Amino acid sequence: GQSLEQPSEVTAVEGAIVQINCTYQTSGFYGLSWYQQHDGGAPTFLSYNALDGLEETGRFSSFLSRSDSYGYLLLQELQMKDSASYFCAVRAAGGSYIPTFGRGTSLIVHP
Amino acid sequence: ETGVTQTPRHLVMGMTNKKSLKCEQHLGHNAMYWYKQSAKKPLELMFVYNFKEQTENNSVPSRFSPECPNSSHLFLHLHTLQPEDSALYLCASSPPDSGANVLTFGAGSRLTVL
Repeated sequence: GQSLEQPSEVTAVEGAIVQINCTYQTSGFYGLSWYQQHDGGAPTFLSYNALDGLEETGRFSSFLSRSDSYGYLLLQELQMKDSASYFCAVRAAGGSYIPTFGRGTSLIVHP
Repeated sequence: ETGVTQTPRHLVMGMTNKKSLKCEQHLGHNAMYWYKQSAKKPLELMFVYNFKEQTENNSVPSRFSPECPNSSHLFLHLHTLQPEDSALYLCASSPPDSGANVLTFGAGSRLTVL
């Protein structure tokens, strides 16, 4: 089977930088995605990594190291509206290439 | 609005009731998914449909019955549910070009089974 591990909660202050880690175990890795979900809202796609390295999209960046089965989401210049849950999801042959999600990390941004 | 619409947003039902959840997308996506989201647990894949054909059934109990009449609509029929089935049920879709790299989710149907 597949499994993903990410911290349950991270706290930070406005303007800071925070990194949310995700480690995974899977067979036939294909790609790692990140999603954001505000309370009562739909999960929304943030980024996707299939190859090693850093992908940057505005204040958010995502990193992947396939050899370490590890990725992270980096959020810069934190804003109060970034308080949400963040999920990593892996696509792999072992899961028929359907995204398998982690438990999510609750990010709390303080003023 | 994400482009994926789920109704109803909230549903309370008894264990002997029969109800249905509806999902609709007009994004031109070919694949549609049902996920279950319970507190403190990962999103659990339930079913996947690709061009109206069911391609994944993740060992879901038969009290959950999906229906996909076309690529734009997906239903989840519910009957004789258990209290542990109370959860947020999320529908998602994905386009043919990026495949499941990018899922577009609806806001979910919050189900409470009494």
